[in-house]
Amino acid sequence: DTEVTQTPKHLVMGMTNKKSLKCEQHMGHRAMYWYKQKAKKPPELMFVYSYEKLSINESVPSRFSPECPNSSLLNLHLHALQPEDSALYLCASSQVGGSNTGELFFGEGSRLTVL
Amino acid sequence: LAKTTQPISMDSYEGQEVNITCSHNNIATNDYITWYQQFPSQGPRFIIQGYKTKVTNEVASLFIPADRKSSTLSLPRVSLSDTAVYYCLVGDTGGFKTIFGAGTRLFVKA
Repeated sequence: DTEVTQTPKHLVMGMTNKKSLKCEQHMGHRAMYWYKQKAKKPPELMFVYSYEKLSINESVPSRFSPECPNSSLLNLHLHALQPEDSALYLCASSQVGGSNTGELFFGEGSRLTVL
Repeated sequence: LAKTTQPISMDSYEGQEVNITCSHNNIATNDYITWYQQFPSQGPRFIIQGYKTKVTNEVASLFIPADRKSSTLSLPRVSLSDTAVYYCLVGDTGGFKTIFGAGTRLFVKA
């Protein structure tokens, strides 16, 4: 299984809503990532978890709250978002150490629209 | 982290070989060069990775000169389905801070 599965594929939310994006992988990878991608721009790194601990936060606003409940799951909790937060949110995973090539395995993304 | 510079866009025709060059003048000794492909509304997909000289796999070749300050992704005989954005990344494989540059939009015409 070389898949990273993201749900939901599409999400529309109001600025006062609370929602969550979910990501799952069963490749035994111990690093998981959230990226944000706006139209015609490259993916921007948001968070990295290594062994279920947050290791990188790229100064992301607190209205985005990541969570890694176990080695296979990664969540992104959303609250009080702004319309400019509308984007494709990509989850990725990678090996850690050993024969790690640094290759990232991406999901297909969750398309978020904030009204 | 080494910064990368790529052409913003390229056009090609089906059946041609396409070469996309990436500049990374500040590449560090421990850095590898990795290329990803991304189709619209999908996550990027790993294409190829190298450290020096030439690497070839079933979809592409990667040429890296001795000074490693640039690299060239070569796609043989492209088809319409190769229309995508191609990203060159440079970094230590042991680190997690994988940063994407602007990428090159390749458009393959019939």
